[in-house]
Amino acid sequence: EPEVTQTPSHQVTQMGQEVILRCVPISNHLYFYWYRQILGQKVEFLVSFYNNEISEKSEIFDDQFSVERPDGSNFTLKIRSTKLEDSAMYFCASSETPGGETQYFGPGTRLLVL
Amino acid sequence: GQSLEQPSEVTAVEGAIVQINCTYQTSGFYGLSWYQQHDGGAPTFLSYNGLDGLEETGRFSSFLSRSDSYGYLLLQELQMKDSASYFCAVRDLGSGGGADGLTFGKGTHLIIQP
Repeated sequence: EPEVTQTPSHQVTQMGQEVILRCVPISNHLYFYWYRQILGQKVEFLVSFYNNEISEKSEIFDDQFSVERPDGSNFTLKIRSTKLEDSAMYFCASSETPGGETQYFGPGTRLLVL
Repeated sequence: GQSLEQPSEVTAVEGAIVQINCTYQTSGFYGLSWYQQHDGGAPTFLSYNGLDGLEETGRFSSFLSRSDSYGYLLLQELQMKDSASYFCAVRDLGSGGGADGLTFGKGTHLIIQP
């Protein structure tokens, strides 16, 4: 069964450093998403992406964040200058339909900023 | 804005039936989705209701009443592996033409006792 994959599974970084989180969505999906989940809290939407551009972004997704689809398979989230409060689990998801009622989530990248 | 309310924790006995409620307030509404998340895992899609009524998928059913802004997830024949967090979610209505993210509730932690 096709699945969303994410790398790395864990990332530890120093405050102020840049990190790139990588995702490979399901191959026939056209709609991509990033979410984050701070430990013990709910899943929060960051950004959605379609047709090589951002469709929607939340207020969390400020100028330190960017997304890119550098090739036909990868979808990346870059955090330019990490802060302590960026420590969270980051999930990538993809869907076949724009409504995204059924989104398939990857296993996540646990980011720890020290 | 969008907000969803669901109980923080529910306890049930193995083999029993449990209902997890969700009420929502949204600026626009397409439907209600339900996701399951085991500790340390990714959210997994369970069910979606776009129209009023009951949707059944095996041991899981979901119900929606648009007039009451209310839905629930029903889990039957509970098994220990059903111990997890359950999130209701609604689609964020973006500018149209692209991918819409999901707004999640805070989740209900389901504890199953033998």
